[in-house]
Amino acid sequence: DTAVSQTPKYLVTQMGNDKSIKCEQNLGHDTMYWYKQDSKKFLKIMFSYNNKELIINETVPNRFSPKSPDKAHLNLHINSLELGDSAVYFCASESVLGELFFGEGSRLTVL
Amino acid sequence: AQSVAQPEDQVNVAEGNPLTVKCTYSVSGNPYLFWYVQYPNRGLQFLLKYITGDNLVKGSYGFEAEFNKSQTSFHLKKPSALVSDSALYFCAVRDGRDKIIFGKGTRLHILP
Repeated sequence: DTAVSQTPKYLVTQMGNDKSIKCEQNLGHDTMYWYKQDSKKFLKIMFSYNNKELIINETVPNRFSPKSPDKAHLNLHINSLELGDSAVYFCASESVLGELFFGEGSRLTVL
Repeated sequence: AQSVAQPEDQVNVAEGNPLTVKCTYSVSGNPYLFWYVQYPNRGLQFLLKYITGDNLVKGSYGFEAEFNKSQTSFHLKKPSALVSDSALYFCAVRDGRDKIIFGKGTRLHILP
């Protein structure tokens, strides 16, 4: 059983399109995150949700809209994709001990 | 605001030798410190953490880290490196209930 699963693993799309990435965790954690990893491997926090409530929005363009239908799911929808959105997007959930459990990542390529 | 620095982009170590990957931090309160490892095309995996207590923290795969409050450092160490330890290592810091910030990563290359 995969603890944190993301789909799709790969996304290739044209500029201007809209795309979504889904994330699910089966660890029973209350807090989930989206991180963006760029081509230089820098990891930047985008959003954090605690029990379906947004608690961190790290000045991400409002083309990015997270949605948490329940505490086990945190999806990311991106409108009007730009070249600079190309990156690997990681979902993570956080244990009560503060440890993050990451998904395998979703590699987005915008052409 | 908290920050974390990893001064080395890459560390090369011969197999069997001890390794150290450096990390320094800046937080306004008591730090929560973490190390994560990322293998190619994979997500990050938790290695170890320091929250309070003993300054020497032991973690997965034989790694340990030493918390030094006066030097604001949390260096990752292993007594004897394996080729399979080659990966990207991230130090991370959290200040109380604030968000978790990652360093830029250090690529560890273990030479056979």
